[in-house]
Amino acid sequence: QVQLQQWGAGLVKPSETLSLTCAVSGGSFSAYHWSWFRQPPGKGLEWIGDVNRRGSTNYNPSLTSRVTISIDTSKDQFSLRVTSVTAADTAVYYCARGPTVADYWGQGTLVTVSS
Amino acid sequence: DVQMTQSPSSLSASVGDRVTITCRASQKISTFLNWYQQKPGEAPKLLIYGASTLQSGVPPRFSGSGSETDFTLSISSLQPEDLATYYCQQSDSYPRTFGQGTKLEIK
Repeated sequence: QVQLQQWGAGLVKPSETLSLTCAVSGGSFSAYHWSWFRQPPGKGLEWIGDVNRRGSTNYNPSLTSRVTISIDTSKDQFSLRVTSVTAADTAVYYCARGPTVADYWGQGTLVTVSS
Repeated sequence: DVQMTQSPSSLSASVGDRVTITCRASQKISTFLNWYQQKPGEAPKLLIYGASTLQSGVPPRFSGSGSETDFTLSISSLQPEDLATYYCQQSDSYPRTFGQGTKLEIK
């Protein structure tokens, strides 16, 4: 059974950097692409980007200047960094498997941007 | 970007009713269309991919249809546990985009 466990700081100050990591267990990590999504409170889902085993990435153009997704195949983990955050980046962030079909998801992390 | 438009935005139905949610893409996406169910406080769950293929473990009362620009998610006989918000998502091109969601309430 594939499981995704994510963690990171739940409170980030404006202008600082948001960092989250997602660890995968129970599956073939290197065979898949891995994605990040987010959902502002009370709103819909937004795709942030994805990464493959070689570290090739695709990003949402609305975030591309501030987002980095990286992968560590030795640890079966992948990470998200969002720089220069504002209140608009407050959201529940989810990691998930797959760039085309997100069939396994992490539990979600609420990240609040506030001083 | 491909815009995804769902209707209705909210829906109230009774247990046993047949429910239909529609999703329209702003350009042709073949059958690269997925449906997700999100219950309050939980992560989204994949229901249907490729417009009509039921994800393993999903009850057969859920079905999907459509191609190119017009798609439908149906629930044949609504159950209390189907209380959730439903999202369509296109995976034909980047950036991946979602519909705004349909909140399903049980009367």
